[in-house]
Amino acid sequence: AAGVIQSPRHLIKEKRETATLKCYPIPRHDTVYWYQQGPGQDPQFLISFYEKMQSDKGSIPDRFSAQQFSDYHSELNMSSLELGDSALYFCASSVHDYLRGYEQFFGPGTRLTVL
Amino acid sequence: DAKTTQPPSMDCAEGRAANLPCNHSTISGNEYVYWYRQIHSQGPQYIIHGLKNNETNEMASLIITEDRKSSTLILPHATLRDTAVYYCIVRLSGNTPLVFGKGTRLSVIA
Repeated sequence: AAGVIQSPRHLIKEKRETATLKCYPIPRHDTVYWYQQGPGQDPQFLISFYEKMQSDKGSIPDRFSAQQFSDYHSELNMSSLELGDSALYFCASSVHDYLRGYEQFFGPGTRLTVL
Repeated sequence: DAKTTQPPSMDCAEGRAANLPCNHSTISGNEYVYWYRQIHSQGPQYIIHGLKNNETNEMASLIITEDRKSSTLILPHATLRDTAVYYCIVRLSGNTPLVFGKGTRLSVIA
């Protein structure tokens, strides 16, 4: 079965650089979520999109922005990178279906290292 | 903030049932209890969810107390591959984000 695809899987950047993370949801899933997991920490919600519109916003820094495109893929743009942005970034997708419990399917993550 | 309390760690012998407790005393009437797990830096994986009735699927069983203030996730025959951090999450129905608390680190021992 198709899964959530994230690219790149690993990314190394310098401080103050920019980074773009991409997420391709499972086909026919209409909602995308972004989560950040710092070293030794639990995942934290950043932002989500439903049908290409922002639906919820969590603890996403102002330096970050995201969008969902017409083909439902999503990109997380990160500018002025700081050492503290080093983390695993997960994308998840779900379908708006009560009978399926709005289960979120997670991708393998992108490991961002800021030097 | 997370609305749940879980023990930080538990051990379980391989082949035995693993019973993971969760307290959610402030749960509201329209909030569900969800369980996810994360195996060593992989993406979290959905296990099961419920509102007030006990639920069972191919992975686990979920027992919710009558007052809904606590629940227990049961892995009937734990294997080494079940070693993971297990998260109990209280959440409204719908495409709402997951709020992860500290979770329970389950170690299955041979």
